[in-house]
Amino acid sequence: DVKVTQSSRYLVKRTGEKVFLECVQDMDHENMFWYRQDPGLGLRLIYFSYDVKMKEKGDIPEGYSVSREKKERFSLILESASTNQTSMYLCASRRYGYTFGSGTRLTVV
Amino acid sequence: GQQLNQSPQSMFIQEGEDVSMNCTSSSIFNTWLWYKQDPGEGPVLLIALYKAGELTSNGRLTAQFGITRKDSFLNISASIPSDVGIYFCAGPRAGKSTFGDGTTLTVKP
Repeated sequence: DVKVTQSSRYLVKRTGEKVFLECVQDMDHENMFWYRQDPGLGLRLIYFSYDVKMKEKGDIPEGYSVSREKKERFSLILESASTNQTSMYLCASRRYGYTFGSGTRLTVV
Repeated sequence: GQQLNQSPQSMFIQEGEDVSMNCTSSSIFNTWLWYKQDPGEGPVLLIALYKAGELTSNGRLTAQFGITRKDSFLNISASIPSDVGIYFCAGPRAGKSTFGDGTTLTVKP
């Protein structure tokens, strides 16, 4: 069965910290995505990647960066975490439909 | 960017009732996808629609691809408590998907 694994279910970080959210897929998919989910705002695309070392900005990239050094791994980086980045973060990979990870609930204090 | 409008935003129903929700767009889509997100988990694909007018079922779920290609409908018959969650529509375009804001379903036993 296809799997997308996010390294942490819950994270608490301090304002100003550098935060890494890791995502690994085992399906050999080329396309990977990072979304942020907030109540009443649905799923908003932060960044996506079509291939290794390739990245594209989504709808809300400000304050975030990404890294895709290997096909199976797509990392989301918060260079200096802020309280307005407290949210649920969802990683997905895609061939035809999306397969999502279980999400990382990040709290920035 | 593209916007998908889902309605209703939330529903509170009694177990056994039927549920209807819809998704509309100002733009045409060639594919419509419906996802369900269980509490604390990532969204999971329920149904994919590929052709205008198509009606597809998956157990108690039935989804339709609108004739105009600008809307889609999801129906759940005889709801049960495990139907609780957030239902998202999505329309793939240019390699990435636009998601609706979701319909939150609560089922009272």
